[in-house]
Amino acid sequence: NAGVTQTPKFRVLKTGQSMTLLCAQDMNHEYMYWYRQDPGMGLRLIHYSVGEGTTAKGEVPDGYNVSRLKKQNFLLGLESAAPSQTSVYFCASSYGLAGAETQYFGPGTRLLVL
Amino acid sequence: AQSVTQLDSHVSVSEGTPVLLRCNYSSSYSPSLFWYVQHPNKGLQLLLKYTSAATLVKGINGFEAEFKKSETSFHLTKPSAHMSDAAEYFCVVSGMDSSYKLIFGSGTRLLVRP
Repeated sequence: NAGVTQTPKFRVLKTGQSMTLLCAQDMNHEYMYWYRQDPGMGLRLIHYSVGEGTTAKGEVPDGYNVSRLKKQNFLLGLESAAPSQTSVYFCASSYGLAGAETQYFGPGTRLLVL
Repeated sequence: AQSVTQLDSHVSVSEGTPVLLRCNYSSSYSPSLFWYVQHPNKGLQLLLKYTSAATLVKGINGFEAEFKKSETSFHLTKPSAHMSDAAEYFCVVSGMDSSYKLIFGSGTRLLVRP
């Protein structure tokens, strides 16, 4: 099993450009999450999904959109990138509720917005 | 609401000496608590979790943590540090009132000196 994979690993954008980050998991997990990690801070939840076709806002959702058209994939979109979105983005998935179940993390996508 | 505080941003130990990474939490409900480890340029990996069973939790790679409700603490320990333990460690809390979400501490970077 590949676990949780993320594409791309690294990207440089100019302010105002758009892009989509792809997360894929092969563990048949219902729950998927997008986080961002900034220096000196823990991970902060951007959006999450509790099943195919559902999404919900997390702690820092502004400037991002997500879609969960297939159970195994969770896409994070930036419509108009801003320098404040320079960060490392992690996708995670879990079988059940985050409070009880282990979350499995992807390797991360490093995004630089100039 | 839940919160978590990691008391040290950096901890430095010599190889073969004990490791102590400190974490205090705040939760209105009986929390689930986790420790995750992140090696450089990698995703996060679960070390151990507490979900209201035994208060002393054993994890991977010789780490363990003790849940102390009276002190609202969940400190991570290891009897003897190894060079491969050098990484960033995150204490994480989840409670019944935000079951889909994990609240991450700001992280403790562990340095292991030869």
